[in-house]
Amino acid sequence: GQNIDQPTEMTATEGAIVQINCTYQTSGFNGLFWYQQHAGEAPTFLSYNVLDGLEEKGRFSSFLSRSKGYSYLLLKELQMKDSASYLCAVYYGGATNKLIFGTGTLLAVQP
Amino acid sequence: EAGVAQSPRYKIIEKRQSVAFWCNPISGHATLYWYQQILGQGPKLLIQFQNNGVVDDSQLPKDRFSAERLKGVDSTLKIQPAKLEDSAVYLCASTSTRGGELFFGEGSRLTVL
Repeated sequence: GQNIDQPTEMTATEGAIVQINCTYQTSGFNGLFWYQQHAGEAPTFLSYNVLDGLEEKGRFSSFLSRSKGYSYLLLKELQMKDSASYLCAVYYGGATNKLIFGTGTLLAVQP
Repeated sequence: EAGVAQSPRYKIIEKRQSVAFWCNPISGHATLYWYQQILGQGPKLLIQFQNNGVVDDSQLPKDRFSAERLKGVDSTLKIQPAKLEDSAVYLCASTSTRGGELFFGEGSRLTVL
């Protein structure tokens, strides 16, 4: 299988920083996405990592370590609207190159 | 650029009935995916098309689910007969390149009573 593990729920305070971790099986790895999903809506793209290191995009950053099978999403200056589910998804290569999602981390931002 | 279109947005049926969902991907996107998302879980891949050919359907319950993508554009996903555990949101997504960002439709929410 291609297990992708993330914490189920997290809580953070408005204005703070939160880090959401994701671990995955490395065999066949081709890239890793982070998506944001608000309740009742479709997932929307946040970031894509193929190489090791940190990708920064405004308040959101994503880190990847391919050798460790590990990624995290860092959210800075949290806002109430950041309350959502954050999905880690991995492209597994070969003939199918399919995108497999983790179960998602439900983030609650409190005032 | 128009996004991924799905219909219907909502459907309520009784168990053992049948239902069909339709998806129109972004123009020019060769790869199309159907995902099932049960409440509180991440999307689960059901089937992946490359143009009009099936690339992966290993997670599709083929005794009751079927999908097709005629002419490599629109796709339909059918469930017959439906079970209570099929209650979920069915998400369609497309991408222009293998390994590229997926663009999702708004989903079709199915409730089986």
